[in-house]
Amino acid sequence: SAVISQKPSRDICQRGTSLTIQCQVDSQVTMMFWYRQQPGQSLTLIATANQGSEATYESGFVIDKFPISRPNLTFSTLTVSNMSPEDSSIYLCSVGGGLANEQFFGPGTRLTVL
Amino acid sequence: DQQVKQNSPSLSVQEGRISILNCDYTNSMFDYFLWYKKYPAEGPTFLISISSIKDKNEDGRFTVFLNKSAKHLSLHIVPSQPGDSAVYFCAASDSNSNSGYALNFGKGTSLLVTP
Repeated sequence: SAVISQKPSRDICQRGTSLTIQCQVDSQVTMMFWYRQQPGQSLTLIATANQGSEATYESGFVIDKFPISRPNLTFSTLTVSNMSPEDSSIYLCSVGGGLANEQFFGPGTRLTVL
Repeated sequence: DQQVKQNSPSLSVQEGRISILNCDYTNSMFDYFLWYKKYPAEGPTFLISISSIKDKNEDGRFTVFLNKSAKHLSLHIVPSQPGDSAVYFCAASDSNSNSGYALNFGKGTSLLVTP
């Protein structure tokens, strides 16, 4: 499986500001994904980060709020824009694994918005 | 709308005994199911998976059973060890949907294995 790192590991931010989370993989991967886990909830897919094209967002998530970059096959960023306390979550990136639906996750970024 | 449900938020089992974690799903189009294990401050770690064409998959101490008619799957850990104490997430996907790679997760079951 790929080794995935995320920066920052945690942050505390003021409402109205934006935070960019980085995801780095130690090998080239085709599929990269961004998930959110709100307190007490399950992991929810935000979007699929496509290399060389715009990200594909799931229902309820929009590019203006969660812009994503995927400049190459080993790196992606997720920005949480104009943050509110409701954005306090753990944000995780994942990559597709050997089997079609198997994914491997980074350690996550714990975001608290005051 | 929660399509994958883990109705037991927590489970406590003695070391050496069997741990059984349950998961139910509502979407009959799901054709691939996975279990993840998560320790605090870490991302989920893939544990075991099963395709809808099978009803059982085994990997060492971990076995996943799938009952498609009941839309139910379970993870059996035998024998349970204290190091198995973690939150276990059930996930499912529909490989034929537009979001074929999207994993739908349950809320997790916190397993505690006591010595």
